[in-house]
Amino acid sequence: DAEITQSPRHKITETGRQVTLACHQTWNHNNMFWYRQDLGHGLRLIHYSYGVHDTNKGEVSDGYSVSRSNTEDLPLTLESAASSQTSVYFCATTTGPNTGELFFGEGSRLTVL
Amino acid sequence: AQSVAQPEDQVNVAEGNPLTVKCTYSVSGNPYLFWYVQYPNRGLQFLLKYITGDNLVKGSYGFEAEFNKSQTSFHLKKPSALVSDSALYFCAVRDDNAGNMLTFGGGTRLMVKP
Repeated sequence: DAEITQSPRHKITETGRQVTLACHQTWNHNNMFWYRQDLGHGLRLIHYSYGVHDTNKGEVSDGYSVSRSNTEDLPLTLESAASSQTSVYFCATTTGPNTGELFFGEGSRLTVL
Repeated sequence: AQSVAQPEDQVNVAEGNPLTVKCTYSVSGNPYLFWYVQYPNRGLQFLLKYITGDNLVKGSYGFEAEFNKSQTSFHLKKPSALVSDSALYFCAVRDDNAGNMLTFGGGTRLMVKP
């Protein structure tokens, strides 16, 4: 079965360090998204991509970057981690163009000390 | 711009009773509305969606939602709650010009007690 996997599932890092969260999907879908989930804020869109070499900023993109070198992967990088970036991060892909139905990964819990 | 409000942080229901989780939205164009459920330590799972057509939408696990254009609402309902329905529920919206970019509400925790 097709799936979307995130790694690591849990990570603790220190302020100022670079962190990369991986996201890999086997549906061969063009659309991929990164959200963060925080209490009281629901899910907020960080970055998204509609295909290889396409990346776009979402609502809360400051301090984050993504790159899309192939269809399957959209890694999320925190260039210099801050305590405010402690959160649970979810990667998602869609079932098809404009369906709005997202498939989510299991999430990556990041703690920045 | 598009936005979603879920006015209740938590809803408590006794098992076997009907449940309603509220959602109101704001979009500039035609709304596409969604409900997702999240179980502990898991990603969100799609429950149901409204694109067009019948205002009552049926989804997974016996859930349904009613689209009300005049009240800009899309409340999630179930006739008889189960303890296993206890989870975090998210309403989401996009307008017909937003591609696949969804805006999520803050979430409502549903607690179903035996």
